[in-house]
Amino acid sequence: EVQLVESGGGLVQPGGSLRLSCVASGFSFSGFGMNWVRQAPGKGLEWVSYINNDSTLKYNAKPMKGRFTISRDNTKNSLYLQMNSLRAEDTAVYYCVRETFSAYFDSWGQGVLVTVSS
Amino acid sequence: DIQMTQSPSTLSASVGDRVTISCRASQSIGTSLAWYQQKAGKGPNLLIYKASSLESGVPSRFSGSGSGTEFTLTISSLQPDDFATYYCHQYSDYSRTFGQGTTVEIK
Repeated sequence: EVQLVESGGGLVQPGGSLRLSCVASGFSFSGFGMNWVRQAPGKGLEWVSYINNDSTLKYNAKPMKGRFTISRDNTKNSLYLQMNSLRAEDTAVYYCVRETFSAYFDSWGQGVLVTVSS
Repeated sequence: DIQMTQSPSTLSASVGDRVTISCRASQSIGTSLAWYQQKAGKGPNLLIYKASSLESGVPSRFSGSGSGTEFTLTISSLQPDDFATYYCHQYSDYSRTFGQGTTVEIK
């Protein structure tokens, strides 16, 4: 069974930094592209960032460019999101998401809450 | 970036009703479209991919259709477990955008 477990969320002040982690199990992690998707309270889904299986390709959504960095460690079956210069509008549940070879998302974690507030 | 527009935003329906949700892309995405169901406090669950392919384990009352810029998710006979929010998602380009969601409520 595919499992994606996020951690690292919490309360951070505006301008601060936070690093999210996602540990994957139940599949060959090094064979799949991965994404972060977020959802602000009471709002819809917003794609954040993508990394391919060997870290040679990375994309960020425009609001996150220059502030968020996606990375992975295939030896640890782990995905990361380094978030810097955080703003109130970054407050959201962040989901770790597996991408199929055809690029749709087939497995989601339970999410981790990030709150940016003074 | 490709924009995705869903309609309606909210839909009130009864058990047994046939329900249709629409999704429009700002430019052609072929059949690179997926549909997800999300319940309160949970991560989304994949229902449909490649516009009309049913994900394994998803009940056959769910179906998808369309290509290019116009897509539809249909629930043939609404069940109590189907009251949730539904999102379309394009994966034609790197931006991987979502529709704003359609909440199916009990009438």
